[in-house]
Amino acid sequence: SYELTQPPSVSVSPGQTASITCSGDRLGNKDASWYQQKPGQSPVLVIYQNIKRPSGISERFSGSNSQNTATLTISGTQAMDEADYYCQTWDSGTVFGGGTKLTVL
Amino acid sequence: EVQLVESGGGLVQPGGSLKLSCAASGFTFSDSAIYWVRQGSGKGLEWVGRIRSRANNYATAYAASLKGRFTISSDNSQSTAYLQMNSLKTEDTAVYYCSRHYLDIGTPTFDSWGQGTLVTVSS
Repeated sequence: SYELTQPPSVSVSPGQTASITCSGDRLGNKDASWYQQKPGQSPVLVIYQNIKRPSGISERFSGSNSQNTATLTISGTQAMDEADYYCQTWDSGTVFGGGTKLTVL
Repeated sequence: EVQLVESGGGLVQPGGSLKLSCAASGFTFSDSAIYWVRQGSGKGLEWVGRIRSRANNYATAYAASLKGRFTISSDNSQSTAYLQMNSLKTEDTAVYYCSRHYLDIGTPTFDSWGQGTLVTVSS
């Protein structure tokens, strides 16, 4: 079955740029989405179709997807961005990455 | 405003059954697909299954790991999707979310999520 691999944790200083990767076999040939989930809350879509941002999502969030890796980039990271982030795609079923805990130090 | 509201969670014994509901509002229910996703305590997101839109004949699909124990259905007159869970195991304990794939076109992307309902399987 298809798998998506994310680093368990990423740390960033306030105001810096955070990058969270998501790796999968030929992932660049698929569409990837990213979700933010804060403790006790439901996931929120932040990036879809690799690079698109839903209405209401900060411009600080951007995405890319090439070859085997999709990347979520958060520029000017703020304390409010501290959350778990999940990548997702479709391959004979919906597949989620294991999630990355972003810590803003 | 798009809203998804899950209900029906609770405590059930191993081997028991439970039926969850996902009540939708703020959009044309039959034009979108509904996906069920679960999350164990401290764990990541896990896809459970989905029911597609009317245009896609309400086709259903499930995670292979469930091995036929779960069934998804919908009632368009009530704008509600259901998740029937049978032969429940302790490892099914999780918060269950329903989510929407708007217009059910292309790679599934979930732009709206419910608040989740907790299912606890324990004796």
